[in-house]
Amino acid sequence: GQQLNQSPQSMFIQEGEDVSMNCTSSSIFNTWLWYKQEPGEGPVLLIALYKAGELTSNGRLTAQFGITRKDSFLNISASIPRDVGIYFCAGVGGGADGLTFGKGTHLIIQP
Amino acid sequence: GAVVSQHPSWVICKSGTSVKIECRSLDFQATTMFWYRQFPKQSLMLMATSNEGSKATYEQGVEKDKFLINHASLTLSTLTVTSAHPEDSSFYICSPGATEAFFGQGTRLTVV
Repeated sequence: GQQLNQSPQSMFIQEGEDVSMNCTSSSIFNTWLWYKQEPGEGPVLLIALYKAGELTSNGRLTAQFGITRKDSFLNISASIPRDVGIYFCAGVGGGADGLTFGKGTHLIIQP
Repeated sequence: GAVVSQHPSWVICKSGTSVKIECRSLDFQATTMFWYRQFPKQSLMLMATSNEGSKATYEQGVEKDKFLINHASLTLSTLTVTSAHPEDSSFYICSPGATEAFFGQGTRLTVV
């Protein structure tokens, strides 16, 4: 199946720094989603974006649905240790059933 | 509380045996259930879509005779991995089709 291009693959940052990750696609998606996954668990939805150009915040997290409907970014401000994990973008549409996931961004916070 | 309940959370089986994974929607009726597979350090990939009362649809490259899906009621979908091989070892996750917000807890399958 198709996948989204998610970058970076991993990030090593200091606590307190801001984080930015993005996803791009060759296909148009109707919905963009951002998830966080802990080891051995299912993904947990962080932010859902339903409209091109939409900018949505959830606490320290901010995400935007690209105007072309082919991209999205997620920002995390003032990172804390609990933010460690793997973040996935996902899209709905693009001619596929279910969700199409990016390959994930592994966030590591150094003390 | 959990909206989707998936069992078992982990299972170890011998090559050649079959394993059944259950996914229950607790607070709503799910006419569609998505089944994903996630290999270590990789993303989730859609395997198949189960439909209540009708045949499941499978993604390209997924063997329907090996991964049997049953969606007999609006609250229960099952995935059976038949004649399991070590390469089937993976993390299997379900998600109701009605919402992208919820996933099962996942099942870690290890075939030895």
